[in-house]
Amino acid sequence: SYDLTQPPSVSVSPGQTASITCSGDNLGDKFASWYQQKPGQSPVLVIYDDTKRPSGIPDRFSGSNSGNTATLTISGTQPTDEADYYCQSWVSSTGVFGGGTKLTVL
Amino acid sequence: QVTLRESGPALVKATQTLTLTCTFSGFSFNTSGMCVTWIRQPPGKALEWLARIDWDDDKYYSSSLKTRLTISKDTSKNQVVLTMTNMDPVDTGTYYCARMGTILGVVQNWVDPWGQGTLVTVSS
Repeated sequence: SYDLTQPPSVSVSPGQTASITCSGDNLGDKFASWYQQKPGQSPVLVIYDDTKRPSGIPDRFSGSNSGNTATLTISGTQPTDEADYYCQSWVSSTGVFGGGTKLTVL
Repeated sequence: QVTLRESGPALVKATQTLTLTCTFSGFSFNTSGMCVTWIRQPPGKALEWLARIDWDDDKYYSSSLKTRLTISKDTSKNQVVLTMTNMDPVDTGTYYCARMGTILGVVQNWVDPWGQGTLVTVSS
């Protein structure tokens, strides 16, 4: 089976840049999406097709994907960005999620 | 505006079959490229992809759960039904349905929007 690996946690100070990685075999050959989930809420799409932002998502969220690693970058991190973040990709039309990363803003 | 809402039993017993319904609005399976997917999340744990069904009735399942899952759609009712057999306490969690992105009749790789989720508890 295809696995996506994320760090369990990332910490960042307000106003600084947070980077969350997602690793998988030749992930750069596939499209990656990123989802933000706050406690008690459904996930929300924040990045799709590696680098694109849905409407309504602040431009401090950006993404990249190359080689075996996709990266979600949050510039000028706000306290409201504290949440769990999940990467996702597709293999033969079946979905795969990473294990999630808890972003702490402190 | 696209919305999805999950419904089904909050509590099932081990070995029983779970049936969940996703009722949606704002799109139709009569349109090429539409696709609904199911995802679950055990309490405090990660998201797990389960299944998807496309407008043309193509179906795809998680390799680890495919023997237990069946997905179907009722186009006239704007509903998608997911059944999972032989439930176990480890299947406890929140079950989400969501729509996959579509552009010009082609299913895309992202999931948006998501329903609010329904919590299913499996008792032993």
